[in-house]
Amino acid sequence: AQSVTQLGSHVSVSEGALVLLRCNYSSSVPPYLFWYVQYPNQGLQLLLKYTTGATLVKGINGFEAEFKKSETSFHLTKPSAHMSDAAEYFCAVSVSGDNLFFGTGTRLTVIP
Amino acid sequence: DAGITQSPRHKVTETGTPVTLRCHQTENHRYMYWYRQDPGHGLRLIHYSYGVKDTDKGEVSDGYSVSRSKTEDFLLTLESATSSQTSVYFCAIRGQGVTDTQYFGPGTRLTVL
Repeated sequence: AQSVTQLGSHVSVSEGALVLLRCNYSSSVPPYLFWYVQYPNQGLQLLLKYTTGATLVKGINGFEAEFKKSETSFHLTKPSAHMSDAAEYFCAVSVSGDNLFFGTGTRLTVIP
Repeated sequence: DAGITQSPRHKVTETGTPVTLRCHQTENHRYMYWYRQDPGHGLRLIHYSYGVKDTDKGEVSDGYSVSRSKTEDFLLTLESATSSQTSVYFCAIRGQGVTDTQYFGPGTRLTVL
């Protein structure tokens, strides 16, 4: 079975500071990994995904994530936070394409 | 934006009443999904469909049924709503490839009193 653990349900950073949101996964087979963002009262929007190939994945809005098999991690980073990055972020894992298993989410607050 | 609409967007109902939520897509995608989102749980899969009249259960399917009579529409029915089904419900669609992205609709906020 697959599962995802997101460390920290709330993260606060200052504007301009590094954003680091942590995601660890469990999977018995090579996983597909995703990060989604959700703005208030909206649906989920894909930030980036890893399927195969290069382990450093670049996404929209300056975000990137690195797949580390040895650490079973897929942490999300952005060098410099903007006020517009305030949202909830979800990590998800899939092995079949059918069932996405989501983490419980991390709410990012950006302090001016 | 992926062409996904959900209706209604908000609904308040009473315990024991039937409720049907509709997901409509204009992308002609084969796969469609229903999730519920609850604080502290993230999103959990209720049911999904891999074609017209082809559906399967997800992680939290008890108390829910689905139907798909046309490619573009996927209906979620709560036969007899309970307060534990108060949630935000999201529909998603995916293309044919196993690595294709799931795209999400705007959600339906359902309150069962």
